[in-house]
Amino acid sequence: GAVVSQHPSRVICKSGTSVKIECRSLDFQATTMFWYRQFPKQSLMLMATSNEGSKATYEQGVEKDKFLINHASLTLSTLTVTSAHPEDSSFYICSARGTSGWVGTDTQYFGPGTRLTVL
Amino acid sequence: GENVEQHPSTLSVQEGDSAVIKCTYSDSASNYFPWYKQELGKRPQLIIDIRSNVGEKKDQRIAVTLNKTAKHFSLHITETQPEDSAVYFCAARPTGGGNKLTFGTGTQLKVEL
Repeated sequence: GAVVSQHPSRVICKSGTSVKIECRSLDFQATTMFWYRQFPKQSLMLMATSNEGSKATYEQGVEKDKFLINHASLTLSTLTVTSAHPEDSSFYICSARGTSGWVGTDTQYFGPGTRLTVL
Repeated sequence: GENVEQHPSTLSVQEGDSAVIKCTYSDSASNYFPWYKQELGKRPQLIIDIRSNVGEKKDQRIAVTLNKTAKHFSLHITETQPEDSAVYFCAARPTGGGNKLTFGTGTQLKVEL
């Protein structure tokens, strides 16, 4: 139970292109999803909090026009990296928090991550 | 905002020994403290969590203790096995923070045969 998927798992793109990453909660509804960025051998850095049906809340220093987040349903959030550049290369991981019931409301369940490489 | 410090950054133990990882947090209003295990290139997986109204929680070989007064919590792994080798992250959730988690810097645990 409490499975979160992410697609794609790996993407290589040219500088200047946009990349969309999908995060889905497969067996539970998630009113809140979180997007993290993780550099090699480093911790998880929260980029933004995504709430279903409302605008995302971005952490300080994260450009909202650069990292577009959409949370259109209780099971899907998307992160679009616009005009990607080599410095955007990283491991992007989403997590989802359940609404109630067996999944609880405290735990964040993580997706498998997306490895983005910008050439 | 919340600040979480985690020690040690690397920990090497012999198989069968115990491992202890410690974290401190700054926001006394934090009320939820999960621990995640992340293997190389994989997703973080919750291994145990504790809420602020509990001082200790145990699940088989894993236990977490919380000292609210001192604002620190620890992960204890007994009878370590090679498959316990991974990076472990602690986290804290401040009250009123929109359910955000602030993560520690991680501990690379290596269990040697």
